[in-house]
Amino acid sequence: DIQMTQSPPVLSASVGDRVTLSCKASQNINKNLDWYQQKHGEAPKLLIYYTNNLQTGIPSRFSGSGSGTDYTLTISSLQPEDVATYYCYQYNSGPTFGAGTKLELK
Amino acid sequence: EVKLLESGGGLVQPGGSLRLSCAASGFTFADFYMSWIRQSPGKAPEWLSFIRNKANSYTTEYNPSVKGRFTISRDDTQNVLYLQMNTLRAEDTAIYYCAKHPFDYWGQGVMVTVSS
Repeated sequence: DIQMTQSPPVLSASVGDRVTLSCKASQNINKNLDWYQQKHGEAPKLLIYYTNNLQTGIPSRFSGSGSGTDYTLTISSLQPEDVATYYCYQYNSGPTFGAGTKLELK
Repeated sequence: EVKLLESGGGLVQPGGSLRLSCAASGFTFADFYMSWIRQSPGKAPEWLSFIRNKANSYTTEYNPSVKGRFTISRDDTQNVLYLQMNTLRAEDTAIYYCAKHPFDYWGQGVMVTVSS
């Protein structure tokens, strides 16, 4: 099984900050990685697919990058509505989600 | 507008069975792979199973955690996705979501509670 490790588990940041969330795979996942945002009481929402492709309707302040085992979700200027838990998801083999990063406002 | 609406959840005793349904609308259901994903309270989502489309022979894949107990199926004439869950355990308690591939649309989820 491929393990996905997200860091940090909790991140506190201020409005306007540049925020970087990390996701590390236990083996090469060939960029087969998506990022999801989940707000309380809602289903996860697709933000980024195949590492760096912005899903339709998602603000351009969200971006993704990475390769091999290391992947990053960046929010260029944090907004209050971005408070949520963020999950990475690999579908290279035996699909798995990371444990999530909870993003809070400082 | 794409809509996915799960139903069939509820309270079931350990060892029991339940069948979930996901009614789809707003897209050509038959063209897409579909998945079931669950999320236990306070935990990350867990992919359970997907079913391919007719062009790919409706073949299926399962997470080892549910393989042999859960069965995914679909009815393209009715635009409905199913998940038959047998031999349920307490650890199967979760919100169950259906999702259209590539996970760009999810249902609102249905709660399944396994408890005596």
